[in-house]
Amino acid sequence: DVKVTQSSRYLVKRTGEKVFLECVQDMDHENMFWYRQDPGLGLRLIYFSYDVKMKEKGDIPEGYSVSREKKERFSLILESASTNQTSMYLCASSFWTSVTYEQYFGPGTRLTVT
Amino acid sequence: EDQVTQSPEALRLQEGESSSLNCSYTVSGLRGLFWYRQDPGKGPEFLFTLYSAGEEKEKERLKATLTKKESFLHITAPKPEDSATYLCAVMKSGGSNYKLTFGKGTLLTVNP
Repeated sequence: DVKVTQSSRYLVKRTGEKVFLECVQDMDHENMFWYRQDPGLGLRLIYFSYDVKMKEKGDIPEGYSVSREKKERFSLILESASTNQTSMYLCASSFWTSVTYEQYFGPGTRLTVT
Repeated sequence: EDQVTQSPEALRLQEGESSSLNCSYTVSGLRGLFWYRQDPGKGPEFLFTLYSAGEEKEKERLKATLTKKESFLHITAPKPEDSATYLCAVMKSGGSNYKLTFGKGTLLTVNP
């Protein structure tokens, strides 16, 4: 079974703090993603990485950065947390074969910024 | 702009009452359409990928179908444990090989 794990299920941080969210996958997938999910807005892509040290901006990268130093690990960094970054954060990893593409999600981190 | 619209927003069924969820999409060339199930407070669980019009896939009481403009997720004789939010997403051809655009989901409630 594919396993994507996230470092915390719940996190409470103060405005202005630097926040690190970590994601680990155990299936040697090339691609990893960070999304946020908000009521009424659905899932939105923040950043993704298609290889170690490689990254691309998604739809809403402002206020975030990412790091991928090892293939299995993808970190999301909130440089200076703000209340509008209170959200559910979801990590995913994916793979292609010659006939199929599948993307798997972690359990999510519920971040509250006060 | 790529768009994915799911309907209805919410659906309430009695146990055993079959129905369908709809996902209509506007994308310049579809590379794949994806269905996920999401339970409250958890990450989405992958169900199916469909690649071409006419394709169908099944898993237990769920069957996904695809046309050139929309996909249906048919639920046959649902049980209360099928209650969840069902998400649809598309990947377009010619763009990023990785980016999925998600709909806002259909909240399914199955009453015993």
